[in-house]
Amino acid sequence: NAGVMQNPRHLVRRRGQEARLRCSPVKGHSHVYWYRQLPEEGLKFMVYLQKENIIDESGMPKERFSAEFPKEGPSILRIQQVVRGDSAAYFCASSSANSGNTIYFGEGSWLTVV
Amino acid sequence: QQQVKQSPQSLIVQKGGISIINCAYENTAFDYFPWYQQFPGKGPALLIAIRPDVSEKKEGRFTISFNKSAKQFSLHIMDSQPGDSATYFCAASVQTGANNLFFGTGTRLTVIP
Repeated sequence: NAGVMQNPRHLVRRRGQEARLRCSPVKGHSHVYWYRQLPEEGLKFMVYLQKENIIDESGMPKERFSAEFPKEGPSILRIQQVVRGDSAAYFCASSSANSGNTIYFGEGSWLTVV
Repeated sequence: QQQVKQSPQSLIVQKGGISIINCAYENTAFDYFPWYQQFPGKGPALLIAIRPDVSEKKEGRFTISFNKSAKQFSLHIMDSQPGDSATYFCAASVQTGANNLFFGTGTRLTVIP
C-alpha cells in the first residue's frame, strides 16, 4: 500500500472513551484522506486534509469527530465519547500534488467499541 | 445517496473463467475511475484506473471498459485465479479540486478451483 502507515491497527475502546487514530502518509505526500468502512460496506469519505488545513470535511459527522494534519507529525483522526456505532475500519490514504488522482491507502485501523 | 452503484454484491467464478463487475455513476463531472482490490484485514490497493477519454484499458488480466454515454464502467478479470478472490471496489472522483473518491459498495469475488 505504497507506504501509508496507520496505527494502531486495532483499538478497543469502551463507550464514552476517546479514540485517536494516527496516519503517516507516503513520504512526500501532502494530501491526506480519511475513510470509514463499516462491516460489509464500501468506504465512505470522511475528510480531506493538506498540511495544517482541512480542505473538505463534508463526510465527517458533525459531533465527536475531528481531524488534523499538523505541519510536523502524522495526521490524527479523533473520536470523542465513542459509541458502538463508531466500530468500523478507518482507512487513511494519501496522495501528492504530482500523483494526480492516485490515492494510496494504509492498512487501516480497526476500532471496536465495547 | 450512493454516488457510484456497483453490482453484483457477490460473485462466484470457476478458475479460468471471466469475472465481470459493473458500476454506474450519475455525476458527469467524474473524470477518474479507479478499481481497488481489498483482501480481508487489509487496505484497498489500486488495481487499475481509467479516464473518460478512452473506452478501454488493459493491464495484464485486468481490463476496464468505459461507456461514457451510459455512465457505466466495468472490470473484467480474465483467466480468474483463486488468488483473485477478494473484494473489489469501483470508485470515481473529480480530477480538479478535492480528490476524494466515491466508492461503490463492493463485490466479493470468490474464484473456485
